[in-house]
Amino acid sequence: DTGVSQNPRHKITKRGQNVTFRCDPISEHNRLYWYRQTLGQGPEFLTYFQNEAQLEKSRLLSDRFSAERPKGSFSTLEIQRTEQGDSAMYLCASSPLGSRNNEQFFGPGTRLTVL
Amino acid sequence: AQSVTQPDIHITVSEGASLELRCNYSYGATPYLFWYVQSPGQGLQLLLKYFSGDTLVQGIKGFEAEFKRSQSSFNLRKPSVHWSDAAEYFCAVGATSGTYKYIFGTGTRLKVLA
Repeated sequence: DTGVSQNPRHKITKRGQNVTFRCDPISEHNRLYWYRQTLGQGPEFLTYFQNEAQLEKSRLLSDRFSAERPKGSFSTLEIQRTEQGDSAMYLCASSPLGSRNNEQFFGPGTRLTVL
Repeated sequence: AQSVTQPDIHITVSEGASLELRCNYSYGATPYLFWYVQSPGQGLQLLLKYFSGDTLVQGIKGFEAEFKRSQSSFNLRKPSVHWSDAAEYFCAVGATSGTYKYIFGTGTRLKVLA
């Protein structure tokens, strides 16, 4: 039973470039979450998918951010025209729909550095 | 508004000493509660969780936490700290409806003196 995987694990980019991260949840987990963790802070909720439907987006998710989960399996998070303030760890988590308590299983994260 | 407060940004203890990390939350009902540990540059590891029932919860690595409804607290404890426990600890509240998203505290960084 594999856990949540995220790729790449690290990404260094120059300001203004676009980046895309991928999250593969645990098989058959219908719920998928993205969180962002900046240095010295706890993770903050970005967005939530139930199957392929994006049901909630945080105000933290500016117009430069877009997330998709086209077939209800893996998800991508794209940041356009990156800014230095986007430097953070991006965490993905998944949980099964219908679980009594919705324990989320976290991936290892993608660390983004914007130069 | 829902929130989680970890009042101690840094804590330093000697190896072998006891540890208590504080967590207070604000939520409309009894939430789901979690403690995670994170080593530098690493992801989150779940230490323990509370959903319902017994208010004293046992976790991995010898940690335990107690849910106190009257104080809206979920403090993490360990009777004897090991040097390998040095890390950052996050308390989280899980929503019990809707998207079931988590709200995290800002973390407590633990330093262990040999």
